[in-house]
Amino acid sequence: NAGVTQTPKFQVLKTGQSMTLQCAQDMNHEYMSWYRQDPGMGLRLIHYSVGAGITDQGEVPNGYNVSRSTTEDFPLRLLSAAPSQTSVYFCASTGGAYNEQFFGPGTRLTVL
Amino acid sequence: KNQVEQSPQSLIILEGKNCTLQCNYTVSPFSNLRWYKQDTGRGPVSLTIMTFSENTKSNGRYTATLDADTKQSSLHITASQLSDSASYICVVTQSYNTDKLIFGTGTRLQVFP
Repeated sequence: NAGVTQTPKFQVLKTGQSMTLQCAQDMNHEYMSWYRQDPGMGLRLIHYSVGAGITDQGEVPNGYNVSRSTTEDFPLRLLSAAPSQTSVYFCASTGGAYNEQFFGPGTRLTVL
Repeated sequence: KNQVEQSPQSLIILEGKNCTLQCNYTVSPFSNLRWYKQDTGRGPVSLTIMTFSENTKSNGRYTATLDADTKQSSLHITASQLSDSASYICVVTQSYNTDKLIFGTGTRLQVFP
């Protein structure tokens, strides 16, 4: 099992550019989520999905879109990148007896 | 306001020593409390998950305690190793119609030889 994979690992964008962060899991979990992690702050939920075709907003959704066409994939799209979106992004997949969260390795995004 | 506060913010210890990290929370209604270890440049990895009825849980050299009455938890690391250098994050699950995870800002632990 690869667990949760994310690509790319690093990315630099210019203000106004768009891009998609990829996330995939092979654990057949229904629940997936995206977080951002900024210095001095706890992880903050951007969007989440409880299953294919179902997505919902988290705590900080503005400027991001998600889709969930399959159980395995949950991409995060930045519509028009802004410097405030400079952060480390983590995708997570949740499942098992205790609804344990499995995090991907993260994508470090810098917006100039 | 639902909050998870961790202390200390950072900690330096010598290899082989024990240490204890603290987590206080004001999350309600409470579902469970989790401790994660996050190595630099990596995603968080679950160490323990405790429900309301559990007051201690171990994972190797890591032992977590939970006092649901005082809303406090601790993570004790025994005989620290260099590989324990990481951030340790306390997370409390708030349970309404859907579970919401409230993350602490973490304790940065550095273990020196």
